[in-house]
Amino acid sequence: EIVMTQSPATLSVSPGERATLSCRASQSVNNKLAWYRQTPGQAPRLLIYDASTRATGIPGRFSGSGSGTEFTLTISSLQSEDFAIYYCQQYNIWPPLTFGPGTKVDIK
Amino acid sequence: QEQMVESGGDVVQPGGSLRLSCVGSGFTFNNYGMHWVRQAPGKGLEWVAYVRNDGTKKYLADSVKGRFSISRDNSKNTVYLQMNSLRAEDTALYHCTKSRGDYYFGFWGQGTLVSVSS
Repeated sequence: EIVMTQSPATLSVSPGERATLSCRASQSVNNKLAWYRQTPGQAPRLLIYDASTRATGIPGRFSGSGSGTEFTLTISSLQSEDFAIYYCQQYNIWPPLTFGPGTKVDIK
Repeated sequence: QEQMVESGGDVVQPGGSLRLSCVGSGFTFNNYGMHWVRQAPGKGLEWVAYVRNDGTKKYLADSVKGRFSISRDNSKNTVYLQMNSLRAEDTALYHCTKSRGDYYFGFWGQGTLVSVSS
């Protein structure tokens, strides 16, 4: 099973500032990495797939990078709806499909 | 407009059973693999089960193997999760999701809540 880890667990950022979130896989997942944002009471929303491709309707302030075992999600200028929990997920080797434990982005 | 609506969640005693259903609409159901992903209260996401679009391949997470099963009825645009021998640690919001080609999740249902408690 591929184990996903995320850092930091919590990130405190001011609105309008940049946020950088990290995700690491226990072995290479090539570029088969997705990012999701989850706000309270809502289902997760796909932001990025294939490590760097924005999903339909996702604004340009979200960007993903990385390959192999190290990945980054960058939010260039945080908006109110971006204060949420972010999960990464690998889909290169499965079953099982595995998620990271999440990074909570809260207001500084 | 795509939609997936889960149902069947309930409060059940340890050792009990439930069957969850998820009805899809607004997309060609039999073109998609279907998954169940759960989220325990205040916790992260855990993939639970998958069934191929034609029902011929199924996978389950180790944590539910031998207790849960997944099936689908394409004539009803519905995927099911049969849950037996339920444990307290199965308490979660169960979402259905779909995939085609690669196995990330572009659309999620809102979920149905399963609570296992005596």
